[in-house]
Amino acid sequence: GAGVSQSPSNKVTEKGKDVELRCDPISGHTALYWYRQSLGQGLEFLIYFQGNSAPDKSGLPSDRFSAERTGGSVSTLTIQRTQQEDSAVYLCASSPRRTSGRSYEQYFGPGTRLTVT
Amino acid sequence: GNSVTQMEGPVTLSEEAFLTINCTYTATGYPSLFWYVQYPGEGLQLLLKATKADDKGSNKGFEATYRKETTSFHLEKGSVQVSDSAVYFCALVNQAGTALIFGKGTTLSVSS
Repeated sequence: GAGVSQSPSNKVTEKGKDVELRCDPISGHTALYWYRQSLGQGLEFLIYFQGNSAPDKSGLPSDRFSAERTGGSVSTLTIQRTQQEDSAVYLCASSPRRTSGRSYEQYFGPGTRLTVT
Repeated sequence: GNSVTQMEGPVTLSEEAFLTINCTYTATGYPSLFWYVQYPGEGLQLLLKATKADDKGSNKGFEATYRKETTSFHLEKGSVQVSDSAVYFCALVNQAGTALIFGKGTTLSVSS
């Protein structure tokens, strides 16, 4: 079946502009995650959605970052007033409904490479 | 909080050599442990996992055993191939159970 998809695959933007990154999770996966991968920081967690709510947004680096999820499916990560340090690959992942005490696998999309000039 | 320490790379091996990539963790309780792989130009893929102490995860000739005594989850393969060249990430679930915490990644380069 179809995996996690993300768009755009590449985005170049000027410093100070806003950007929106989109994630389509695997159909039926209720949990959705955003991560950021950069050379200096490795892979960092940003935010976790269960359904349309975000019980853990502790990884968002500043209030310029926000995310939403609608219909329990598509999610959008928005970065306002982009800065050069925002340049990174933004990864989305999804996982099936998780029951208490069970492990879960996260399935990753190909990522969006964001370059802020 | 939970954290992962992974050996620095790059690791350079000849084909058919034995591979070990070290991973140790700090965690409250016994979270599930994972190895993810990122091939050149591709996304992260789950390679193997272990959900409790003494579990052994295995896939594509790779193995890792969940060792609570040494808080380790070392990745091994008996005979590497050129096609195994990739970046390998060790990971565990955070304390809240809401995200994966990754090591810095180890680049493996295998030559023929």
